[in-house]
Amino acid sequence: SQKIEQNSEALNIQEGKTATLTCNYTNYSPAYLQWYRQDPGRGPVFLLLIRENEKEKRKERLKVTFDTTLKQSLFHITASQPADSATYLCALGGASNTGKLIFGQGTTLQVKP
Amino acid sequence: KAGVTQTPRYLIKTRGQQVTLSCSPISGHRSVSWYQQTPGQGLQFLFEYFSETQRNKGNFPGRFSGRQFSNSRSEMNVSTLELGDSALYLCASSLEGAGANVLTFGAGSRLTVL
Repeated sequence: SQKIEQNSEALNIQEGKTATLTCNYTNYSPAYLQWYRQDPGRGPVFLLLIRENEKEKRKERLKVTFDTTLKQSLFHITASQPADSATYLCALGGASNTGKLIFGQGTTLQVKP
Repeated sequence: KAGVTQTPRYLIKTRGQQVTLSCSPISGHRSVSWYQQTPGQGLQFLFEYFSETQRNKGNFPGRFSGRQFSNSRSEMNVSTLELGDSALYLCASSLEGAGANVLTFGAGSRLTVL
């Protein structure tokens, strides 16, 4: 069955450093991959989308890579700030372009001042 | 522009009861998806409605149902509640097109089953 794995343990980094979060998947060939941020008590918020034919996408301090051979995506936050502390979810979408996404369990990032 | 609105935000029910949750999507969004989020299973897809029709369905029992109205508002219903149904239920709306669905989530309805 389809499976997505994200860093299961919380990631603790110092302010100003680069945070790197990993998303690995098996038994699936996604048409695109998305990253969402979720704060406690709130719904996920969309951050970035990368398609299967793209290697890298950037948005301000965020960068995502997508390697369909390794079946892996890396999500980077450069110059991290305490306000970046949250849970980050990766989600896979198929070619059918619907609202059905497969989400990973998420990685909790804690940025310390 | 108003976001996705879910009501109620919190509710407590007892086993065997039923519950109805409501979702108002962003104006112009015709797709509404529902997800269940629990600490153990994470976010799991329940179903998706588009133009009042169920377009996709996740792997949940028939006790979970939903519908969409002509104004794109959606409701989901869970009958014969079980303890394991305690979860955060999230609704998301999306705008069709561009080959990928970016979801805008509501804040969720937190259901506790006692």
